[in-house]
Amino acid sequence: SAVISQKPSRDICQRGTSLTIQCQVDSQVTMMFWYRQQPGQSLTLIATANQGSEATYESGFVIDKFPISRPNLTFSTLTVSNMSPEDSSIYLCSVGRMGYEQYFGPGTRLTVT
Amino acid sequence: AQSVTQPDIHITVSEGASLELRCNYSYGATPYLFWYVQSPGQGLQLLLKYFSGDTLVQGIKGFEAEFKRSQSSFNLRKPSVHWSDAAEYFCAVGAWEAGNNRKLIWGLGTSLAVNP
Repeated sequence: SAVISQKPSRDICQRGTSLTIQCQVDSQVTMMFWYRQQPGQSLTLIATANQGSEATYESGFVIDKFPISRPNLTFSTLTVSNMSPEDSSIYLCSVGRMGYEQYFGPGTRLTVT
Repeated sequence: AQSVTQPDIHITVSEGASLELRCNYSYGATPYLFWYVQSPGQGLQLLLKYFSGDTLVQGIKGFEAEFKRSQSSFNLRKPSVHWSDAAEYFCAVGAWEAGNNRKLIWGLGTSLAVNP
């Protein structure tokens, strides 16, 4: 497994602003993922962030709205840009192992007013 | 296309009763299967996983799951539920994509409530 931390744990932001969420892992990993989880809903994959390559975005998510950085094997950031109330959600990062299993951070609860 | 179905949106059981949460998957090859639990206000925790071999897998917190290829199912079971098991349970299947991207396909989840 891995120990994963996220910052901030929660935030309340005004519409039109941007928030950068940090994800830190206690060991080197190749695969990192960013998810969005609406209250009471399942997980929706935003993008896969592998070190050394550009992030791969899922359908419905674009880099201009959700830019991702992956500067090294233990760290990644997700920015939610030009926020609207529809972006209110829990944002989760996870790390992947070669057997497809993923381990998750505690999440960032975002409220946009 | 790969998919995961959890037929039960919400289940309520009494403490001490047995539990079975259903999961059906659609995948062309031998699947990598997972069950995760998300307690209120918590992140997701891996309960157990199936890659190959014995079709009955044991996990944490006293949970087990059985892979049935003929039924495309991977149901989660626990013989005696505790109040602390109240949570959201997600089934997932591993999917490989071009570019060596490995991701999980998620079910919609089953919410478990436990009556005292």
